[in-house]
Amino acid sequence: KAGVTQTPRYLIKTRGQQVTLSCSPISGHRSVSWYQQTPGQGLQFLFEYFSETQRNKGNFPGRFSGRQFSNSRSEMNVSTLELGDSALYLCASSLEQYSYEQYFGPGTRLTVT
Amino acid sequence: KNQVEQSPQSLIILEGKNCTLQCNYTVSPFSNLRWYKQDTGRGPVSLTIMTFSENTKSNGRYTATLDADTKQSSLHITASQLSDSASYICVAAPYSSASKIIFGSGTRLSIRP
Repeated sequence: KAGVTQTPRYLIKTRGQQVTLSCSPISGHRSVSWYQQTPGQGLQFLFEYFSETQRNKGNFPGRFSGRQFSNSRSEMNVSTLELGDSALYLCASSLEQYSYEQYFGPGTRLTVT
Repeated sequence: KNQVEQSPQSLIILEGKNCTLQCNYTVSPFSNLRWYKQDTGRGPVSLTIMTFSENTKSNGRYTATLDADTKQSSLHITASQLSDSASYICVAAPYSSASKIIFGSGTRLSIRP
C-alpha cells in the first residue's frame, strides 16, 4: 500500500506570495492532519480534516487554511507569506478522526525569502 | 500548562552501545504517549504508542516505558546501529482533541562507528 505523499517536496516563495501544498493520504484513510515543523518551535498542530470538514484547529493565524476533498486528499494554503513561515510542513493520515495511529508524509520544505 | 520535555537534547554513542532517552510530560486528561523516529528531511515514523494503562511496549530494538503516575516515559535503544541516527520525538496526547497534542522538541541521536 502506498504511503502518504506530499507535493511539492521543496518550494521557494517570496514574502507576500501565497502557496498551496498538497497531501494524498494512504488509501482508505479518511483523516488528514497538518503540522508545521521549525527548529525553534518543533512540531505544531495546524488542523485536522475528516470527511471534508475541519474538525480541529491549532493556534495559527487565519492566513493558514486548508480543505479536504471527497477522495480524502487535502490541501493547505498559506496566504501573504512571511519569513517566519519557512518550515517543513508535514501531513499525517489516519483511518479515523483523531486516531492514535498516524502515518506521516515526507513533508514539503517551504522557504520564504 | 501542557508540555513535553525531552532529555538529553542530543546524544552521541558508539555503534553497538545501548542508550535511553527521557520524556516528561504534563497533559491532562492524558490519553496516550507516542515515540516517533524522524530521519533528517523525512517525516516522523511511529515507534510505539502507549495508553495510560500500559507500562512498556517494544518494537524490535526499541523499548518504551511509561509511568503515568510520575508522568515520565523513556525510550531504550538496544545494540544501536548507524541507522538509528535520527531525532526521537516524544508526543503526549489528551483525549479527543487533536489540537491539544503536545510534541517534545526531540533528542538528536548520533551513532558513531
